Amino acid sequence: EIVMTQSPATLSVSPGERATLSCRASESVRSYLAWYQQKPGQAPSLIISGASTRATGIPARFSGVGSGTEFTLTISSLQSEDFAVYYCQQFNKWPLTFGGGTKVEIK
Amino acid sequence: QLQLQESGPGLVKPSETLSLTCAVSGGPISSSNIYWVWIRQPPGEGLEWVGSISYSGSTYYNPSLESRVAISVDTSKNQHSLKLTSVTAADTAVYYCARRPFYYGLDIWGQGTMVTVSS
Repeated sequence: EIVMTQSPATLSVSPGERATLSCRASESVRSYLAWYQQKPGQAPSLIISGASTRATGIPARFSGVGSGTEFTLTISSLQSEDFAVYYCQQFNKWPLTFGGGTKVEIK
Repeated sequence: QLQLQESGPGLVKPSETLSLTCAVSGGPISSSNIYWVWIRQPPGEGLEWVGSISYSGSTYYNPSLESRVAISVDTSKNQHSLKLTSVTAADTAVYYCARRPFYYGLDIWGQGTMVTVSS
């Protein structure tokens, strides 16, 4: 199976600053990569699909880049509602696999 | 607007079968080019894909669960279901159902249902 590795595990950022999250795949997933945001007690929600396409209603401060094995999610100016856990997930091959998550916390 | 709602017992005894249902409202479950998906999340841990079923009925399962899991669709009730046999404490988790269009991420999620395996 394709192993997804996210870094860092925890990112401490001040409101208004930029956050950069990384996701690496153990083999190429082409652009079949999604990012999800999960807040405490809630289901995850899709923010990026196809490595760089924002889902419906996702603000422009969220951007995704990458293809193959290296991917990055950037939040350009963190708002209070952005502090959460972020997961990457590949859907290029079965089984679908998720990264372990990056927690973005308030510095 | 499509919505998903999980339902099922919150407590299951070890060695028994976990059975959950995902009711789909706001659209037909038989829509083409859609996978219906189950994801689980143990307390304090990350997300684990359990399995998927396509609009045509093809199933795909996590290899670590494949011998114990079955997903089915009931178009007459507009719902899909998960069965996981011979459960242990390691199967304790929040179980989510979700929708995944072909070549896209999991775009609609249910709220999740907590299942505890304990005697």
